[in-house]
Amino acid sequence: AQSVTQLDSQVPVFEEAPVELRCNYSSSVSVYLFWYVQYPNQGLQLLLKYLSGSTLVKGINGFEAEFNKSQTSFHLRKPSVHISDTAEYFCAVRTPGYSTLTFGKGTMLLVSP
Amino acid sequence: NAGVTQTPKFQVLKTGQSMTLQCAQDMNHNSMYWYRQDPGMGLRLIYYSASEGTTDKGEVPNGYNVSRLNKREFSLRLESAAPSQTSVYFCASSQQEKSSTDTQYFGPGTRLTVL
Repeated sequence: AQSVTQLDSQVPVFEEAPVELRCNYSSSVSVYLFWYVQYPNQGLQLLLKYLSGSTLVKGINGFEAEFNKSQTSFHLRKPSVHISDTAEYFCAVRTPGYSTLTFGKGTMLLVSP
Repeated sequence: NAGVTQTPKFQVLKTGQSMTLQCAQDMNHNSMYWYRQDPGMGLRLIYYSASEGTTDKGEVPNGYNVSRLNKREFSLRLESAAPSQTSVYFCASSQQEKSSTDTQYFGPGTRLTVL
């Protein structure tokens, strides 16, 4: 069994400030890792994913995430946020050989002027 | 391409009523999924279909049934709705089940309220 923990339910930040959204996972086997974003009243959109190779993954809209196997983490970062980044962010894992995703409970990023 | 479409967008039911949520994808994907999203709970998998003609239970299947009508369409049925099924329902699809590069694409959701 695998699980995903997103430690912060809400992260308030001012525009142009850096942000880090934390994600830790638990699994007895290697996993693939994903970050999705959900803008208000919309479906989920893939931000980035880690399958293998370089542990630093770059995604859309200036976001990046770093896979840390020893700490079982996949934290999402952006050096300078915009008001338009206000959304809910979900971390998810998938076990190789299986199709289903396990999601964290989400982190609401609130960007204010 | 429309991607993944869901109907209806909103629905209000009374306890005990039945309804079917429709989902269709035009990306020629093999696998399709139904999730529910509840505040503070993230997304939880209800059922999925790895390929046309197959369906499997997810984490929270009780009270639901599914039908993979063809490769494009995957419906979710509530036979006797309960207030606990008030939620936002998302359909998703992906190209190849179990492929290392497989990515799920999501529809816009159906917001269901059961009174």
